[in-house]
Amino acid sequence: KAGVTQTPRYLIKTRGQQVTLSCSPISGHRSVSWYQQTPGQGLQFLFEYFSETQRNKGNFPGRFSGRQFSNSRSEMNVSTLELGDSALYLCASSPLGGAGDQPQHFGDGTRLSIL
Amino acid sequence: KNEVEQSPQNLTAQEGEFITINCSYSVGISALHWLQQHPGGGIVSLFMLSSGKKKHGRLIATINIQEKHSSLHITASHPRDSAVYICAVGRRGSNYKLTFGKGTLLTVNP
Repeated sequence: KAGVTQTPRYLIKTRGQQVTLSCSPISGHRSVSWYQQTPGQGLQFLFEYFSETQRNKGNFPGRFSGRQFSNSRSEMNVSTLELGDSALYLCASSPLGGAGDQPQHFGDGTRLSIL
Repeated sequence: KNEVEQSPQNLTAQEGEFITINCSYSVGISALHWLQQHPGGGIVSLFMLSSGKKKHGRLIATINIQEKHSSLHITASHPRDSAVYICAVGRRGSNYKLTFGKGTLLTVNP
C-alpha cells in the first residue's frame, strides 16, 4: 500500500507570491491533516479535512487555506507569501476522522523556502 | 506555558544505554502520540495510547492519566535511534487536531 505522498518535495518562492501544496493520503483514508514545522515554533496544526469538510483550523491567518477533493486528496494554499512562511509543511492521513485519537500516517513533507 | 512539555530537550547517550524521554501535558486528552523524526523531515508514528503501556520492539511507552504524564523508553539504545522524538496530544473535545511538544533530540553514540 502506498504511503502518504506530498508534492512537491521542495519549493522556492518569493515574497508576495502564492503557493499550492498537494497531499495524497493512503488509499481508503478519509481524514487529512496539515501541519507547519519551523525551528522556532516546532510543529503546529493547520487544519483537518474529512469527507471534503474542514472540521478544525489552527491559529493561522486567512492566507492559509485548504480543500479536500472527493477522492480524499487535499491541497493547501498560502497566498501573499511572507518570509516567516518558510517551513516544512507536513500532511498526515488516518482512516477515520479525528487527528487526536487516530494513528497518523505522515508524508515526507514539502520544504518551502521564501526569498 | 505550553500545553505539552517535553524533557529533556537534548539527550546524548552511549550505545546500549537505557533512555527515557518525558512528556507532561496540562489539558484533558483523548490520546497521546509519540512520534519519531529523522533528519530530512519524515515523521513516523511510534505509539498512540490513552492508558497503560505499549511495547514495540525496544520501545516502550507509558502514560499516567491522573498525573498527566507519559514516558518513552528505549532499551539497548543504538545509533540508528538517533532522531527527534515528539510528544503530541489530542485534546478531549477537540479530536480533530494535535498539539505538539517541542521535541527531544536524541543522539546515540557508538
